[in-house]
Amino acid sequence: QKEVEQNSGPLSVPEGAIASLNCTYSDRVSQSFFWYRQYSGKSPELIMSIYSNGDKEDGRFTAQLNKASQYVSLLIRDSQPSDSATYLCAVRTGANNLFFGTGTRLTVIP
Amino acid sequence: NAGVTQTPKFQVLKTGQSMTLQCAQDMNHNSMYWYRQDPGMGLRLIYYSASEGTTDKGEVPNGYNVSRLNKREFSLRLESAAPSQTSVYFCASSDRDRGRGVYGYTFGSGTRLTVV
Repeated sequence: QKEVEQNSGPLSVPEGAIASLNCTYSDRVSQSFFWYRQYSGKSPELIMSIYSNGDKEDGRFTAQLNKASQYVSLLIRDSQPSDSATYLCAVRTGANNLFFGTGTRLTVIP
Repeated sequence: NAGVTQTPKFQVLKTGQSMTLQCAQDMNHNSMYWYRQDPGMGLRLIYYSASEGTTDKGEVPNGYNVSRLNKREFSLRLESAAPSQTSVYFCASSDRDRGRGVYGYTFGSGTRLTVV
């Protein structure tokens, strides 16, 4: 059983601050890593993917991957109230199936 | 708009009733998936279809069956619904990003199922 773990939160940050979301995974052969954003009552939406060690930046979002430590993180710079959502970490190992964490609920306070 | 379409959006069933959740994608993706999402449990894979003509069990297949009707459509059937199957069900599809070798999923809008 592959496990993907996230702090469920809630995580509250003031508007304009950096939000840091973390995820750890147990399967060392994991290959690809994803962050999804899910607004309440909506479906998950892919916001970042990363598969090499290091940082990957896309606008205000930065994904960080450390395979040796088996963690992946998501930084959101200049957080906005519209970023308030649940963020799901997902990991792919072997076959093209994703295993999801339970999500971290982020609230950005205006 | 291109994407994954699920029907119905809401459903209430009585214990023991059966129903089929429908899913269709128009992105020419090879792989399709059914997940359920429960509070505190995250998204759990029920069944998946890596390509047309194949289906495989995921983490929580008991009480469900699936059919990959063609490349576009992947249905999920509850033969005898139980209260434990009350959940939000998501269908998703994916294909390989040939440039990066990264597989991303596109999700449907979900079906909220209540079994009483």
